[in-house]
Amino acid sequence: GAVVSQHPSRVICKSGTSVKIECRSLDFQATTMFWYRQFPKQSLMLMATSNEGSKATYEQGVEKDKFLINHASLTLSTLTVTSAHPEDSSFYICSASEGGAEQYFGPGTRLTVT
Amino acid sequence: GEDVEQSLFLSVREGDSSVINCTYTDSSSTYLYWYKQEPGAGLQLLTYIFSNMDMKQDQRLTVLLNKKDKHLSLRIADTQTGDSAIYFCAENNAGNMLTFGGGTRLMVKP
Repeated sequence: GAVVSQHPSRVICKSGTSVKIECRSLDFQATTMFWYRQFPKQSLMLMATSNEGSKATYEQGVEKDKFLINHASLTLSTLTVTSAHPEDSSFYICSASEGGAEQYFGPGTRLTVT
Repeated sequence: GEDVEQSLFLSVREGDSSVINCTYTDSSSTYLYWYKQEPGAGLQLLTYIFSNMDMKQDQRLTVLLNKKDKHLSLRIADTQTGDSAIYFCAENNAGNMLTFGGGTRLMVKP
């Protein structure tokens, strides 16, 4: 099946710094990638949708200047959490789609902001 | 708006069948999905069903869809301890965005 990787799997950063998370589709070209956030013991909340070569579409309530998304190629999307604060600590999961019904998820990145 | 609901918890004995239920509200969904999440991991796509189907079987997994009642279920036959995880149902919306249910934690007792 299709494989999506994320890097890093875990990151700890200090308040005020920025953190970049990478999402890669390893064996297929992802026309669309999605970024989700998951709080402990809760469901996934869609943050934004990104299509290769165009600006991301953010969900209501998600600050685009805080969560910068770049989808520069058909196999790579990045999420940068800028000026991170402790409330940004969460599990961030990306998914990728070739445009069909299937959407494949990465293993997630646990961000802890101290 | 879209709303997807699941029961929080299900406990079964190893070897029994598990049935996880889900209700959704968006009648325009084209596909409905079941994902599995193990602790600290991402989501694994288990199966999905096209909205004009009422059943799909894949090895130990059976998905039933009642479109009239907007009810989706996942049956796992011969449940194993390795099936212990959180199961999310999801429906797709415009742009293929997914709306997830809250997840059902399945505990399999030996």
